[in-house]
Amino acid sequence: KAGVTQTPRYLIKTRGQQVTLSCSPISGHRSVSWYQQTPGQGLQFLFEYFSETQRNKGNFPGRFSGRQFSNSRSEMNVSTLELGDSALYLCASSLGEHRVAEAFFGQGTRLTVV
Amino acid sequence: AQSVTQLGSHVSVSEGALVLLRCNYSSSVPPYLFWYVQYPNQGLQLLLKYTTGATLVKGINGFEAEFKKSETSFHLTKPSAHMSDAAEYFCAVIPNTGNQFYFGTGTSLTVIP
Repeated sequence: KAGVTQTPRYLIKTRGQQVTLSCSPISGHRSVSWYQQTPGQGLQFLFEYFSETQRNKGNFPGRFSGRQFSNSRSEMNVSTLELGDSALYLCASSLGEHRVAEAFFGQGTRLTVV
Repeated sequence: AQSVTQLGSHVSVSEGALVLLRCNYSSSVPPYLFWYVQYPNQGLQLLLKYTTGATLVKGINGFEAEFKKSETSFHLTKPSAHMSDAAEYFCAVIPNTGNQFYFGTGTSLTVIP
C-alpha cells in the first residue's frame, strides 16, 4: 500500500514568486491536511480538506491557499513568496471525518526561498 | 487554544540508558495523544498514540508512553537507548472535538556511544 506522496521533495524559489506543492494521499483516504514546519515556529497547521471542501484553516495569511481534487489529491499554493516561507511543508492524509487521529504523514517538501 | 509543552529541547543519553522525554498538554478534557519521530529531512513517523482504553501505550522500536490524566502528561520512555534512536521527537494532541494536530516544539535526542 503506497504511502502519502509529496512532490517535489525539494524546491528553490525566488522571493516574490509563487509555488505549488502537491500531495497524493493514501488510496481511499479523503482528508488531507497541510502543516508548515520551521525552526522558529515549529509545526503549524495550515488547512484541512475533506471531499474537496476546506474544512478547517489555521492562522496563515491569504497568500497560502489550497484545494483538493475529486481523486483526493491536494495542492497548496503560496503566492508572493517571502523569505520566511522557507520551511518543510508536510501533508497528512486520513480516511475522513473524525478520523484525523489515524493520519499518516508524507515525507514533506522542502521549500527554500532566496 | 490547545497547547503542548515538551520540557527540554535537547536531551542526551548514553547508549543503553533510559530515555525519558516529557510532554504535558493543556486541556480539561483528555485529547488524543501522540508521539512522532522525525529523522533529518524526513516526514513524521508515528511512534504511538493514545485514544481510549489502557493508559500505558506501547509503540514501535521499544518505546512506550503513559497517559496520566491527573498530571495532564504523556511522557515517552524507552528502557535502553540505541544509537538509531537519535532523532527529533514530537508530542502532539488532537482535541477530542477537533480534527487538527497541535504539536509541541520538539525534543532532539542525542545518543552518546
